[in-house]
Amino acid sequence: GESVGLHLPTLSVQEGDNSIINCAYSNSASDYFIWYKQESGKGPQFIIDIRSNMDKRQGQRVTVLLNKTVKHLSLQIAATQPGDSAVYFCAEDFGNEKLTFGTGTRLTIIP
Amino acid sequence: ETGVTQTPRHLVMGMTNKKSLKCEQHLGHNAMYWYKQSAKKPLELMFVYSLEERVENNSVPSRFSPECPNSSHLFLHLHTLQPEDSALYLCASSQKKGGAQYFGPGTRLTVL
Repeated sequence: GESVGLHLPTLSVQEGDNSIINCAYSNSASDYFIWYKQESGKGPQFIIDIRSNMDKRQGQRVTVLLNKTVKHLSLQIAATQPGDSAVYFCAEDFGNEKLTFGTGTRLTIIP
Repeated sequence: ETGVTQTPRHLVMGMTNKKSLKCEQHLGHNAMYWYKQSAKKPLELMFVYSLEERVENNSVPSRFSPECPNSSHLFLHLHTLQPEDSALYLCASSQKKGGAQYFGPGTRLTVL
């Protein structure tokens, strides 16, 4: 069957270090991916997206990398700050105009 | 107001009550969605509306009834819910069906 978002459930990172959050997917037909951030008591917040015709996309302090060969997606956060503490999850469009979400990785920033 | 708003933010209801959740998007989008978020589970898509027409109903029990009177508003009418329906209900919108979705803050629902 198809699956998306085989995250590690938790990740702890020292403040100021870079964070890398990973996501695996199984459907090679997927053509669009999004990373979301969800803070406690809030709805998911769009961070960055990438289409399958790209390998890398950069935003402000964030970079998404897509490796279609091994069906792997990662989110890199530079110089992590306390405000980056949240659950991060990836979403994938299988090409059916619906997003399928992973279970998420809880990122904890250690002061 | 900007983005996607949802009311109420918290709701406690008994199994025999009838209540409604409201969502409003201020982004000029044409598609709206209802999701259920339970602890330790991925977001579950419930309903999709595109240009005010329901295009998706993901085998949701009939005790959940959506309504989309226009492209900016979406309701979820609730009746005779079960305790296992307790969850965070999230509304989202996107420019068109498919593409990046933008979420509201959610309604935390508790069914007693």
